[in-house]
Amino acid sequence: DAKTTQPTSMDCAEGRAANLPCNHSTISGNEYVYWYRQIHSQGPQYIIHGLKNNETNEMASLIITEDRKSSTLILPHATLRDTAVYYCIVRTTSGSRLTFGEGTQLTVNP
Amino acid sequence: EAQVTQNPRYLITVTGKKLTVTCSQNMNHEYMSWYRQDPGLGLRQIYYSMNVEVTDKGDVPEGYKVSRKEKRNFPLILESPSPNQTSLYFCASSLIMGGFISYNEQFFGPGTRLTVL
Repeated sequence: DAKTTQPTSMDCAEGRAANLPCNHSTISGNEYVYWYRQIHSQGPQYIIHGLKNNETNEMASLIITEDRKSSTLILPHATLRDTAVYYCIVRTTSGSRLTFGEGTQLTVNP
Repeated sequence: EAQVTQNPRYLITVTGKKLTVTCSQNMNHEYMSWYRQDPGLGLRQIYYSMNVEVTDKGDVPEGYKVSRKEKRNFPLILESPSPNQTSLYFCASSLIMGGFISYNEQFFGPGTRLTVL
């Protein structure tokens, strides 16, 4: 699975959009980009995933660059409850596990 | 409500005293997995199961056992716990679709914080 690079931490004001970047320059053609988050030692929670097209669901939007070497998770109106560690994971549909790196600690401030 | 439950949520024990952490899911998922989370090391997979009676080692299986006698349950067994197994443990489950694990529908339990003295 391709390696990902994320900033260690980010801050965002409540009500503003939170844009979390992820670099995955070695991604291959059949690898998807997944985003999970973990709120203070709770179990990780799936947010969104995509292959090459931008995706949106009720939680977030995922923007993948045309060369697929990076992506951005967008939380359109961050709330205090969005404070969490956000993990960007790149993998194929096969395999037995998700490989979680250190992620980005997002802190939403009032 | 769809969920993965783990018991106990917190456990303090002593070296060598056998323990079992239970995991149960109510979503009829074929795939189940155990991870441990340690500071600076992220989540690492211990064991996983693709279906009843089918289990396999993950990245860090030493010192652990699992069983999958029923589809809904996947207990983690520590036969002789040691202090280096002090960690936060997560159980996860997911559908298998077309032979592949459906990671966009992978659910994690609330975690079990284990301390081995």
